[in-house]
Amino acid sequence: EAQVTQNPRYLITVTGKKLTVTCSQNMNHEYMSWYRQDPGLGLRQIYYSMNVEVTDKGDVPEGYKVSRKEKRNFPLILESPSPNQTSLYFCASIASDNEQFFGPGTRLTVL
Amino acid sequence: AQSVSQHNHHVILSEAASLELGCNYSYGGTVNLFWYVQYPGQHLQLLLKYFSGDPLVKGIKGFEAEFIKSKFSFNLRKPSVQWSDTAEYFCAVIDFDNYGQNFVFGPGTRLSVLP
Repeated sequence: EAQVTQNPRYLITVTGKKLTVTCSQNMNHEYMSWYRQDPGLGLRQIYYSMNVEVTDKGDVPEGYKVSRKEKRNFPLILESPSPNQTSLYFCASIASDNEQFFGPGTRLTVL
Repeated sequence: AQSVSQHNHHVILSEAASLELGCNYSYGGTVNLFWYVQYPGQHLQLLLKYFSGDPLVKGIKGFEAEFIKSKFSFNLRKPSVQWSDTAEYFCAVIDFDNYGQNFVFGPGTRLSVLP
């Protein structure tokens, strides 16, 4: 079954404590992307990756890092989380026709 | 930069009413257009997409959308909504003149269907 998995699904942490949200896809897609979803703002792109070892900033990259060491994985790293990063995060794997397949989401709360 | 607007923040309808949700994008280059639906507590799922050809696109669950290039619009329609259509709807655009940098979503329209 084609799917995108994210872990953890829920996370409560404190300011400054580094965290990683993992994302994995089994569809062999080259293009992957991270979004955050906030009420009234829709989804905003954080980072994307067009291929292994190729990453680029989206619209709201500040405070985030990503890596793409292998095609199936695209982790999102918050080196020093702050309360304004409290949000719902979605990873997406994008097919060659640009259809996006979304993960189940990670709800992050930073205290 | 590309931007996407959706006309309504929250739409409330009774069952069997007709639905039209507006979507406009700002930059008129070569685009692909999408509508996604997010049911409460779930991730986004694709309703329909437009790449080229017939501007009237049919999607799942009885939804359709019409691409009007001259108006930069891609409105979503359904002739008769059901309670189960209660969800948030997002319009999205990918802009090939800025490929990879311009996968842009609208702010969403929340649809509430009253039984």
